[in-house]
Amino acid sequence: GAGVSQSPSNKVTEKGKDVELRCDPISGHTALYWYRQSLGQGLEFLIYFQGNSAPDKSGLPSDRFSAERTGGSVSTLTIQRTQQEDSAVYLCASTEGSNGYTFGSGTRLTVV
Amino acid sequence: AQSVTQLDSQVPVFEEAPVELRCNYSSSVSVYLFWYVQYPNQGLQLLLKYLSGSTLVKGINGFEAEFNKSQTSFHLRKPSVHISDTAEYFCAVTPLSGGYNKLIFGAGTRLAVHP
Repeated sequence: GAGVSQSPSNKVTEKGKDVELRCDPISGHTALYWYRQSLGQGLEFLIYFQGNSAPDKSGLPSDRFSAERTGGSVSTLTIQRTQQEDSAVYLCASTEGSNGYTFGSGTRLTVV
Repeated sequence: AQSVTQLDSQVPVFEEAPVELRCNYSSSVSVYLFWYVQYPNQGLQLLLKYLSGSTLVKGINGFEAEFNKSQTSFHLRKPSVHISDTAEYFCAVTPLSGGYNKLIFGAGTRLAVHP
């Protein structure tokens, strides 16, 4: 597609439930990144995938968070047993090379 | 490792006035530098980037930034702002070497343009 697509755009979930957030990167982009933006905060790196290499998971805040990228394209970020502190905007970006990162519009997650 | 400091969390300014949003970075290696803008309830949009060459970079919407290696700064400027420039602005860096690398962001500067 023309841009990075994220779904859903908004998600409200009950505390303790699992959620899945989806990211469709730009076709041909081999690197994909997930970031989290909490209210009034900057962007916190979560995880990145590059080609067939092992992902860099160094930013995942706990073992409740996981992500996968199927076929080198679509990625899913899964949060298990959601907590209120997980409420944030989750942003996905893709790139081909280090000189151009394109971000999606994000998924706003609210845990009630 | 890299870090980015945006020196002002909020910048209020009147319409048609000039503005400068400050960004300093720390890195032991050379970096690429970026400015992104985030309008309310939207994702991040690239304003401009410095990769190499001329240290004065022009971006979209009339913004420009100057890379100063000796001061490790990449300040963003606009000579005359509009109400529509009200948004959050993020400075980011990524190291040149090592293939693909994550962007390291500053905490953001909220620009509020008043009539």
